[in-house]
Amino acid sequence: ETGVTQTPRHLVMGMTNKKSLKCEQHLGHNAMYWYKQSAKKPLELMFVYSLEERVENNSVPSRFSPECPNSSHLFLHLHTLQPEDSALYLCASSQVVQGYIDTQYFGPGTRLTVL
Amino acid sequence: KQEVTQIPAALSVPEGENLVLNCSFTDSAIYNLQWFRQDPGKGLTSLLLIQSSQREQTSGRLNASLDKSSGRSTLYIAASQPGDSATYLCAVSGYGGATNKLIFGTGTLLAVQP
Repeated sequence: ETGVTQTPRHLVMGMTNKKSLKCEQHLGHNAMYWYKQSAKKPLELMFVYSLEERVENNSVPSRFSPECPNSSHLFLHLHTLQPEDSALYLCASSQVVQGYIDTQYFGPGTRLTVL
Repeated sequence: KQEVTQIPAALSVPEGENLVLNCSFTDSAIYNLQWFRQDPGKGLTSLLLIQSSQREQTSGRLNASLDKSSGRSTLYIAASQPGDSATYLCAVSGYGGATNKLIFGTGTLLAVQP
């Protein structure tokens, strides 16, 4: 059983809705990540937080807004999404030492469908 | 820009066969390489991590090798079982930057037939 949990597991939303995805890690790690996994494409890194500071924003549209209130929690706030944003959103955590990543541990993901 | 390729995209084998999954990367300046397993609709599970100074790692029936100079890694699965059916992903981590990120391949979908 992974030490990274995500809620909700499934989400269906309209293009005008506002929703949030939640991730929590119980591993004592100091870095957390959001990834997007679309069909037939490699996992795409969206955001990286290290020591609660955003250190990577991978050219993600502003309709996705991350929040990291502490080292154990990560949110992804969603608003005015497009149907092409439908995907599996994965959260991960790891221990980063002097800038180098140890093994990343992934949550089960949130399957998002935008109508 | 680092690119990771996995061949084949899909593979079907009968139970009991040994098999090899391939991963190649374009920039040999990597810090480590990881193999992950993903079951349908689920998150990723780390299988093996190879540091750039290592040549291989083993865990049970799995053996991963790394040849940095040629930009290749293989994942060897011995005596395959139906429970091994999943998508296998490799990812590389590079040097430099505040927090290095993983670059993933598109994966190999493995089906082990009973």
